[in-house]
Amino acid sequence: DAGVIQSPRHEVTEMGQEVTLRCKPISGHDYLFWYRQTMMRGLELLIYFNNNVPIDDSGMPEDRFSAKMPNASFSTLKIQPSEPRDSAVYFCASSKRTGSNTGELFFGEGSRLTVL
Amino acid sequence: EDQVTQSPEALRLQEGESSSLNCSYTVSGLRGLFWYRQDPGKGPEFLFTLYSAGEEKEKERLKATLTKKESFLHITAPKPEDSATYLCAVQTGGSYIPTFGRGTSLIVHP
Repeated sequence: DAGVIQSPRHEVTEMGQEVTLRCKPISGHDYLFWYRQTMMRGLELLIYFNNNVPIDDSGMPEDRFSAKMPNASFSTLKIQPSEPRDSAVYFCASSKRTGSNTGELFFGEGSRLTVL
Repeated sequence: EDQVTQSPEALRLQEGESSSLNCSYTVSGLRGLFWYRQDPGKGPEFLFTLYSAGEEKEKERLKATLTKKESFLHITAPKPEDSATYLCAVQTGGSYIPTFGRGTSLIVHP
């Protein structure tokens, strides 16, 4: 069974360019999360979806960040324009809600973004 | 505000030297506490879920315990392959979404 698939694994871009990160969650999972990980701040939740609907985007740092989930098998995180401070590893994770708990999260291998 | 604090930030052990990692939390209405392992260049991988004080879970050389204010991840006779960052996350009554601590970086020397 394939896990969460993210692309690209590595992205190097110049300040001001648009960046699009992609995620395919595990089939049958109803929650999808986007996290950002840095040495300074650890793992931060950016946004999460339930059944393809954005539920909480309060972690999105600013209007330059946007996320979509057009269907149950695909999500994107877009940064436009990118800035050097956006450099981080971005993780996508999915889970299936069981009872009153979202249960364990299954993470992808991450997309390492470097903005020069 | 809910908080999750892990200590120590980094830990170096000799192979076979048992120790414990700590995760303390100040949250209202704990729904669940999760432990994850993260290897360099990889995403976090789920280890355990604990739901109530007194609960314990074991997996190979790892044992997780939970009290009303903290959780411990005990590592017995660690091996170099146990080297990783261990993350703790809590899920509260107000949200189904886990909040992660900063993690403990564990290095086990042969």
